[in-house]
Amino acid sequence: SQQGEEDPQALSIQEGENATMNCSYKTSINNLQWYRQNSGRGLVHLILIRSNEREKHSGRLRVTLDTSKKSSSLLITASRAADTASYFCATDADSNSGYALNFGKGTSLLVTP
Amino acid sequence: SQTIHQWPATLVQPVGSPLSLECTVEGTSNPNLYWYRQAAGRGLQLLFYSVGIGQISSEVPQNLSASRPQDRQFILSSKKLLLSDSGFYLCAWDQLGGNEQFFGPGTRLTVL
Repeated sequence: SQQGEEDPQALSIQEGENATMNCSYKTSINNLQWYRQNSGRGLVHLILIRSNEREKHSGRLRVTLDTSKKSSSLLITASRAADTASYFCATDADSNSGYALNFGKGTSLLVTP
Repeated sequence: SQTIHQWPATLVQPVGSPLSLECTVEGTSNPNLYWYRQAAGRGLQLLFYSVGIGQISSEVPQNLSASRPQDRQFILSSKKLLLSDSGFYLCAWDQLGGNEQFFGPGTRLTVL
């Protein structure tokens, strides 16, 4: 089952602008992850934030987690055309799937030069 | 370093034909292995996962099956493909469940 839901479904910005994507989930989690997928390719792990963390940075990426609201956000600062991709959040909570992750439907980001 | 391979990269098959997609992992032992399907413009749907040789868990009822004949080999099969089986199939592995997964390049399957 898909627990994470990204918002917006699609986002179009210009190079240099910041891009913010949100993710909501339904049940308690141990961690939440963000992945990136270029068109027609596999997913690449970007960042993992644990349930006891509120914010995490990695280069131009900033992730926040609010467990009380069951939501997370991914901020990409100073976006580049190469950031064009789909971004997915994934949670680890689903007792039926054992170790598996639950992915949302993703946000499609378009960065125009 | 660890790598994950999937083949073929693309496949066009007629309805009713069999299917075999292969995934292999190098550079690690006893990984957890996963098969996902991604429909156009959609998220990932978990199909199968395996925590060891011969151990397969199915997430959704379907005409697909999976097998793990070797520690680092995961195979997705079907005896008779349906139109609805079209999609992008991704294999992934991790060492510690619930944490970072590493994905293969995917197989684009079109059933006509």
